[in-house]
Amino acid sequence: AQSVTQLDSHVSVSEGTPVLLRCNYSSSYSPSLFWYVQHPNKGLQLLLKYTSAATLVKGINGFEAEFKKSETSFHLTKPSAHMSDAAEYFCVVSDRDTGRRALTFGSGTRLQVQP
Amino acid sequence: AAGVIQSPRHLIKEKRETATLKCYPIPRHDTVYWYQQGPGQDPQFLISFYEKMQSDKGSIPDRFSAQQFSDYHSELNMSSLELGDSALYFCASSLDGSNNEQFFGPGTRLTVL
Repeated sequence: AQSVTQLDSHVSVSEGTPVLLRCNYSSSYSPSLFWYVQHPNKGLQLLLKYTSAATLVKGINGFEAEFKKSETSFHLTKPSAHMSDAAEYFCVVSDRDTGRRALTFGSGTRLQVQP
Repeated sequence: AAGVIQSPRHLIKEKRETATLKCYPIPRHDTVYWYQQGPGQDPQFLISFYEKMQSDKGSIPDRFSAQQFSDYHSELNMSSLELGDSALYFCASSLDGSNNEQFFGPGTRLTVL
């Protein structure tokens, strides 16, 4: 069975400092991994995705994530936080090889950006 | 670019009533997924359809049913509503063979009183 664990429920950074949101996954097969962002009372927006191509994935708004199979991790980073980055971030996994395409979400990390 | 459309955006119902949520996928997308996000929770997969056939089933209660129509839009029917059904219901669509990149709609916020 596939699952993801987001290691921090809340992360607080100052504007202009780096962001690190941690995610570990468990998957029986070759996973597809995603990061989605959800602003308050809004829908889910795809930030980036990993689907077995390059292990370093670049997304929108300056975010990127690195797939590390040996560590079963897919941490999300951004060099410099902006106030508009404050939101809930979900690490998401699906198993490509099983044909089960439903997404499994992590419990979310709430990012706060202090001025 | 066209996105996933959900209607209504907000819905208020009484306990034991029924509700129907609608989802219109991105044009040419053949797969639709339904997710439920309770207050302060992560989204949970309910059910999905591929080419108008149910393709996968998650934690969908027996009181709920869904279908995908010939124009690929989908409806989630919810009966005997309970207070615990209050949640944000997301629909997502994808194109088979696209590495399962799912595009989410804005959600329908259901409140059961």
